[in-house]
Amino acid sequence: EAGVAQSPRYKIIEKRQSVAFWCNPISGHATLYWYQQILGQGPKLLIQFQNNGVVDDSQLPKDRFSAERLKGVDSTLKIQPAKLEDSAVYLCASSPGHWYGYTFGSGTRLTVV
Amino acid sequence: GENVEQHPSTLSVQEGDSAVIKCTYSDSASNYFPWYKQELGKGPQLIIDIRSNVGEKKDQRIAVTLNKTAKHFSLHITETQPEDSAVYFCAATMDTGRRALTFGSGTRLQVQP
Repeated sequence: EAGVAQSPRYKIIEKRQSVAFWCNPISGHATLYWYQQILGQGPKLLIQFQNNGVVDDSQLPKDRFSAERLKGVDSTLKIQPAKLEDSAVYLCASSPGHWYGYTFGSGTRLTVV
Repeated sequence: GENVEQHPSTLSVQEGDSAVIKCTYSDSASNYFPWYKQELGKGPQLIIDIRSNVGEKKDQRIAVTLNKTAKHFSLHITETQPEDSAVYFCAATMDTGRRALTFGSGTRLQVQP
């Protein structure tokens, strides 16, 4: 089975610029998550989708972050405008549903300068 | 919401020794507790998980124990090998379909050859 695909792997942008990340989950996985992992910390949830609906976006900084999951498959996460503190690895994960662990992608490392 | 604390933050052992990582959680409704291993430049990988209806689970050299009364769970790695060196994260939730995993802050395990 193919894993969770993410792109790009690395991105360097200047503050106040915009950036977008893409995720393709494992086929058939209904649930998709975006996590932010700051260096030396555990992953922190940004948003959870069930099919193409949002389950939890309570920790998403909505003034600058947005996410969508088109047709319940691929997902994009956007930051506009970026701040220095957004420098982190952005992880996408998917799960077949209840009671199952996640499969994570390799992440996108964002550096904001 | 859920809060997961993880200790120690770093752990160094000699090859062949055992390693133990401990986590506590705050929400008594949590009933699913996975452990992830993260190698440099990669996303977290699920290595073992436990549900609240069991107290212990083993898979070759790794085992997880759960004490629901005390709200803590632990990862045990026996006969450690250099390839066990990585960052380990514990996590907790009540149901991955309804609520995303909350992760601990991670333990960097170094196995000295």
